[in-house]
Amino acid sequence: DAKTTQPTSMDCAEGRAANLPCNHSTISGNEYVYWYRQIHSQGPQYIIHGLKNNETNEMASLIITEDRKSSTLILPHATLRDTAVYYCIVRGNNNNNDMRFGAGTRLTVKP
Amino acid sequence: NAGVTQTPKFQVLKTGQSMTLQCAQDMNHEYMSWYRQDPGMGLRLIHYSVGAGITDQGEVPNGYNVSRSTTEDFPLRLLSAAPSQTSVYFCASSLGLAGDTQYFGPGTRLTVL
Repeated sequence: DAKTTQPTSMDCAEGRAANLPCNHSTISGNEYVYWYRQIHSQGPQYIIHGLKNNETNEMASLIITEDRKSSTLILPHATLRDTAVYYCIVRGNNNNNDMRFGAGTRLTVKP
Repeated sequence: NAGVTQTPKFQVLKTGQSMTLQCAQDMNHEYMSWYRQDPGMGLRLIHYSVGAGITDQGEVPNGYNVSRSTTEDFPLRLLSAAPSQTSVYFCASSLGLAGDTQYFGPGTRLTVL
């Protein structure tokens, strides 16, 4: 699976959009981009995923560049409860259940 | 649905002791995994299963055994606990492979003295 690179930490003001970048320059054609988050010591929580097209759900939007080498997770109106570590993961459709988590980005939403 | 459940939530062991961490899911998911998370780090895959009776090793399998006798349960066994196995352990399940979301349990915090 392709390796991802994320900033170690980011701050965001409450009510503003949080834009979390992720580089995955070695991504291959059949690999998906996933985003999870982990609040404090809880289990990771799925946010969104995509292959080529931009995606939106009730939690966030995922913008994938045309060359698929990077993506951005957008939380449109960040709240204090969005403070968490956000993981960008690239995963293919090989025959295992392996999601390789890196260190992620620690997002702090400030009042 | 209860989702993915894990027991116990906390456990303290002495070096050399053995124990089993329990994981169960009620979503009829074929795929289940065990991860460990050390302080300040991301999750690392220990073992995984793509269905009942089928298991395979992940990134850090040494010192752990798994079995999958039913679709619902995927226990993780520590054969002889070591301080290096002090960690938080997460179990996850998903319906399928790529394109399918993994659902995580609440975790088991294990301390080995």
